[in-house]
Amino acid sequence: DIQMTQSPSSLSASVGDRVTITCRSSQSITTYLNWYQQKPGKAPKLLIYQRSTLQGGVPSRFSGSGSGTDFTLTISSLQPEDFATYYCQQSRSTPLTFGGGTKVEVK
Amino acid sequence: EVQLVESGGGLVKPGGSLRLSCAASGFSFNNAWMNWIRQVPGKGLEWVGRIYSKNDGGTTEYAAPVKGRFTISRDDSKNTLYLQMNSLKSEDTAVFYCATGSNSHDSSDFDRWGQGTLVTVSS
Repeated sequence: DIQMTQSPSSLSASVGDRVTITCRSSQSITTYLNWYQQKPGKAPKLLIYQRSTLQGGVPSRFSGSGSGTDFTLTISSLQPEDFATYYCQQSRSTPLTFGGGTKVEVK
Repeated sequence: EVQLVESGGGLVKPGGSLRLSCAASGFSFNNAWMNWIRQVPGKGLEWVGRIYSKNDGGTTEYAAPVKGRFTISRDDSKNTLYLQMNSLKSEDTAVFYCATGSNSHDSSDFDRWGQGTLVTVSS
């Protein structure tokens, strides 16, 4: 199974900050990496798929990069609605696996 | 409008069974590879398993912790996905989501989610 490791597990940031979350896979997943945002009591929302493609309707302040085993989600200028938990997920092979999550909190 | 609506969650005793349903609308359900994903309250996401479309064989795959206990099925005539859960354990307590994707053939980038249904396994 492919293990997904996210870091940090939580971070504190202010509105306007640039935020970077990393995700590492235990083996190469080429570009089969997706990012989700989840708010309390809600289902996850797909932000980015296949490493860097923005899902429709997602603001351009979100971007994804990386390949192989190391990936990054960047929020260029954090907005109030971006405080949430973020998950990476590999779609290279089953079992599909998620990172442990990164909670972005108000500083 | 795309909708996925789960139902069937509730309280069940250890060793018991429960069947979840996920009613789909607004997209071509029969062509979709459908997934179940669960989340222990306050914890991360765990893929439970998926069922392929009939055109792609209609077979199923499961995560190791549920293999042999859970069964995923589908009724394309009713646009409904099912999760039959047997021999439930306390560690199965979670919110269960059905999900699928529309961006790729394998539907593994999940842009379509239900609202989730809570399963609590407790005596």
